[in-house]
Amino acid sequence: AQSVAQPEDQVNVAEGNPLTVKCTYSVSGNPYLFWYVQYPNRGLQFLLKYITGDNLVKGSYGFEAEFNKSQTSFHLKKPSALVSDSALYFCAVRDPPSGNTPLVFGKGTRLSVIA
Amino acid sequence: NAGVTQTPKFQVLKTGQSMTLQCAQDMNHNSMYWYRQDPGMGLRLIYYSASEGTTDKGEVPNGYNVSRLNKREFSLRLESAAPSQTSVYFCASSEALSPVDTIYFGEGSWLTVV
Repeated sequence: AQSVAQPEDQVNVAEGNPLTVKCTYSVSGNPYLFWYVQYPNRGLQFLLKYITGDNLVKGSYGFEAEFNKSQTSFHLKKPSALVSDSALYFCAVRDPPSGNTPLVFGKGTRLSVIA
Repeated sequence: NAGVTQTPKFQVLKTGQSMTLQCAQDMNHNSMYWYRQDPGMGLRLIYYSASEGTTDKGEVPNGYNVSRLNKREFSLRLESAAPSQTSVYFCASSEALSPVDTIYFGEGSWLTVV
């Protein structure tokens, strides 16, 4: 069965520093991977996804993520954090050999960017 | 540019009461979903509808029923609310149930069962 893990409940970073939010996955085939962001009292917003091709995926708000098959990881990154990036971030995965099934989400990582 | 709209946004229920959460999408999507979000648990799928006329159980379906009323609307019903159903509920939709499709979420419904 497909699963995704976000090993850090909380990540703190100073404004202007690079940020990384970690995600690892477990699937039986080649994964389709997604990142979403949730601002306080709001729904989840799509940031980016990896389907195939270039391992470095660029998304909204200056975020990017790197797919690493050997490490089964899909970490979210941004070169220079903003206070407005403070939010809850979710990694999600689909495992194509499992058929057309809905996304499975991680438990989320709360990012706090300190001015 | 509404996207996915769900109502009500806030609701307080007494144990044993029933209620229905309404959801509608205007993106002509085929697939719709209901998730619940609890602290430390992330998002868990309650039910989903791959296409109009079909519904399937997700990870945590007990205590809930759903109706895919038409292509636009997908409602979630709590027949006899319990305190364990206190949560934030999100409706979502995607073009289809294809693995490459992006899921789009509503703004959430905060439900408290006392």
